[in-house]
Amino acid sequence: SQKIEQNSEALNIQEGKTATLTCNYTNYSPAYLQWYRQDPGRGPVFLLLIRENEKEKRKERLKVTFDTTLKQSLFHITASQPADSATYLCALDIRDDKIIFGKGTRLHILP
Amino acid sequence: NAGVMQNPRHLVRRRGQEARLRCSPMKGHSHVYWYRQLPEEGLKFMVYLQKENIIDESGMPKERFSAEFPKEGPSILRIQQVVRGDSAAYFCASSPFSGTSYNEQFFGPGTRLTVL
Repeated sequence: SQKIEQNSEALNIQEGKTATLTCNYTNYSPAYLQWYRQDPGRGPVFLLLIRENEKEKRKERLKVTFDTTLKQSLFHITASQPADSATYLCALDIRDDKIIFGKGTRLHILP
Repeated sequence: NAGVMQNPRHLVRRRGQEARLRCSPMKGHSHVYWYRQLPEEGLKFMVYLQKENIIDESGMPKERFSAEFPKEGPSILRIQQVVRGDSAAYFCASSPFSGTSYNEQFFGPGTRLTVL
């Protein structure tokens, strides 16, 4: 069955540095991959989507890469700020109308 | 345009009671998904519905759990005879998916169910 792994449960990064989160998957070739942000007590919020034929996608301070050979996506936040502290979830499509989520990585940006 | 609405936000039930969780999707969205999230766990898919149809219920426990999305009104996730293990946050998401989009999902704030 499809499996998603996000690199670590928690990540501490100094303010101003680049935070890099990893999402690995097995047993599947998704057509696209999504990243969401979740704050405590709230529902996830969609951030970015990257298609299988795209190597990189950017949105303001966010950058996502997608390596279908390595079966890996990297999520970068540049010039990180304490307000970026949250849990970040990656999700991949199982079929056109269904996605599955990783467990998430809790990111703490230290002032 | 109001976002996805869920109510109640918090629900406390005693073992053996029934829990009813409601979800109103975003206007224009006809696809509803329910997920369960335990503390320190990821989102687990439960069921996917379109109006009056259950498309995929592969994540639903075989007993006590049911879901519906009627022609009129919100989607309902119903848990009968709740047990302590049902305590979790239940999230609803809606999608404008039309076969040509990439299924970006819009989540509600969740219902936190506590079973005493």
